[in-house]
Amino acid sequence: NAGVTQTPKFRVLKTGQSMTLLCAQDMNHEYMYWYRQDPGMGLRLIHYSVGEGTTAKGEVPDGYNVSRLKKQNFLLGLESAAPSQTSVYFCASSQGGGYTFGSGTRLTVV
Amino acid sequence: GQQLNQSPQSMFIQEGEDVSMNCTSSSIFNTWLWYKQDPGEGPVLLIALYKAGELTSNGRLTAQFGITRKDSFLNISASIPSDVGIYFCAGQISNAGGTSYGKLTFGQGTILTVHP
Repeated sequence: NAGVTQTPKFRVLKTGQSMTLLCAQDMNHEYMYWYRQDPGMGLRLIHYSVGEGTTAKGEVPDGYNVSRLKKQNFLLGLESAAPSQTSVYFCASSQGGGYTFGSGTRLTVV
Repeated sequence: GQQLNQSPQSMFIQEGEDVSMNCTSSSIFNTWLWYKQDPGEGPVLLIALYKAGELTSNGRLTAQFGITRKDSFLNISASIPSDVGIYFCAGQISNAGGTSYGKLTFGQGTILTVHP
C-alpha cells in the first residue's frame, strides 16, 4: 500500500519562482494537511482540507495556496518563492484520528 | 493558538538506558499522540492516548495521558541504536461538534541519540 505519496522529494527554486507540491493518498481519507518542518520548531500547519473541494488556513498560511479538486489529491502552491520558505514540507491525511504522513519534500529557495 | 512544550530538546544516551520525555500544554487536549521521525522520512505514529490517566504500551515504549489532560509522557526502556530519531508529541481536540477536523498541534520534538 502506498499510503501518502509526495512529489517531488527535492527541489531548488530561485526567489520569485513558483511551484506546486503534490500529495496523493490512497486510503480514502477525508482530511488532508500540509505542514512545514523547521529546526527547533516542530511541525506547523500551513493549510488543511476537510473534504473534496474544501480548504482552510492553518497556522502559517501566508505565501501558500492549496487546492483539493479530487479527494485523493491535495496540492500546495508557492506563487512567488522566498528564502523564508526553505523548509521540509510534509503532507498528511487522516479520518479524524492519527495522521499518516508522506516522506516529505525538501525545498530550498535561493 | 495552542502551544505544546516538549522536553528535553535533545538527549544523548548509552545503549541500554531508559529514556523519558514529556509534553505540556496550556490547553486541554482530548487525544495525545506520540510520533517518531527517522532521518529523511515522515513521522510515524507510535502510541495514541484517548483518555485522561490512560497508560499504554507498545513494546519497549510506554506513554501516559496526564490526569489534567494538559500533559503526556513517553518512556523508552532499554534503548537500542534504532531508537535514534526525533520524537514528537501531538495533541488533538476532538469536540462534540467535530469542528477540530482532526487537526494536531505538535511539540518541537526531542532528538534522541543512542551511543552503542
